[in-house]
This record gives sequence, C-alpha cells and structure tokens, in this order.
Amino acid sequence: KAGVTQTPRYLIKTRGQQVTLSCSPISGHRSVSWYQQTPGQGLQFLFEYFSETQRNKGNFPGRFSGRQFSNSRSEMNVSTLELGDSALYLCASSLWGTSYEQYFGPGTRLTVT
Amino acid sequence: EDKVVQSPLSLVVHEGDTVTLNCSYEVTNFRSLLWYKQEKKAPTFLFMLTSSGIEKKSGRLSSILDKKELFSILNITATQTGDSAVYLCAVEFNQAGTALIFGKGTTLSVSS
Repeated sequence: KAGVTQTPRYLIKTRGQQVTLSCSPISGHRSVSWYQQTPGQGLQFLFEYFSETQRNKGNFPGRFSGRQFSNSRSEMNVSTLELGDSALYLCASSLWGTSYEQYFGPGTRLTVT
Repeated sequence: EDKVVQSPLSLVVHEGDTVTLNCSYEVTNFRSLLWYKQEKKAPTFLFMLTSSGIEKKSGRLSSILDKKELFSILNITATQTGDSAVYLCAVEFNQAGTALIFGKGTTLSVSS
C-alpha cells in the first residue's frame, strides 16, 4: 500500500507570496490533518479535513487555509507569507481522524526569505 | 492555557537500560492522549490512550494514562540503538471541535 505523499518536498518563497502544498493520503483514508513543525514551537496542529469538510482547526491565523477533494487529496494554502512561516509542513492521513492511527508523509520544507 | 509538558527534554542511556518518559497535561474536555516516535522526518504512531490505568503494550514499549493526576508515561525496556528518536506526546481535547496539542518532545539517545 502506498504511503502518504507530499509535494513539493522543498520550496523557497519570498515574503508576501502565497504557497500551496499538496498531500495525497493512503488509499481509503478519509481524514487528512496538517501540522507545522519548527525548532522553537515543535509540532503544531493546523487543521483536519474529513470527507471534504474541515472538522477541526488549530490556533493559526486565517492566512492558513486548506481544502480536501472528493478523492481525499488535500491542499494547504498559506497567503502573504512571513519569515516565521518557514517550517516543515507535515500531513497525516487516517481512516477516521486524529484519535486514530495516523500515517505521516515526509513533509514539505518551506523556506521563506 | 491548555498545555502539554514532556520531561525530560533529553536523555542519554546505554543499550539495555530501561527508560521512562513523562507527559503531563492541562486541558479542558480531554479526549485522548497519543504517543509518537519521530526519527528522521515523519512521526510514527505508537499508542492512543483514553482510559486511566489500562496499560497499552507493544513489544518493549508500554504506556499508561492517569486521568486523575493528568499524566502519562511511556516505558521502553531493554533499549536498543534503534530506539534513539524524539518521542512526542499529544493530547486531544474538545474546543469548538477537536483540538490537538503536542509536547516539545523527549530526545532519547541510546548508546551501544
């Protein structure tokens, strides 16, 4: 069974730009969650999508948004990038949600200059 | 303020030692506590705990939750170099939906 895939793996953007990251979950998984990981703040929960609906949301500004398609693939968008958005963005998929075994993708390393 | 605190932040042990990692939390409307292991990049799921006093076990790893004292421990017996990783604790709680907070992690280094 193929694992969770994320594209792109690395990205360099300039302050003020916007970026879209993509996540393809394991086949059959309907829940996709997104996380931001930085050395200072650690791993932080962004949001979770289940069957195309945002079900849960962490404490991030509205510049961070996402969506999920009917095939469960998910995208995360960050608008008006700030230097502090530089981080590893991980997505995870599971059958039912964050309370269940989640499988993480390799992450997208975003650098904002 | 909702928070999850892990201790120690780092730990160095010799192969064969037994280690105990701690996770304490303060959240309202607790739902579950999860443990993850993060080696290079992506965390891997270890345990999900919802009930006090019931030990979850997988090989040399075990974990238990105390909902009265608001903490969980992760035990690793007969450690091996392959156990070297960052161990993350996360707590799910209800807050206008379900929120999830991670601790900063415990970095375990096992030397041979």
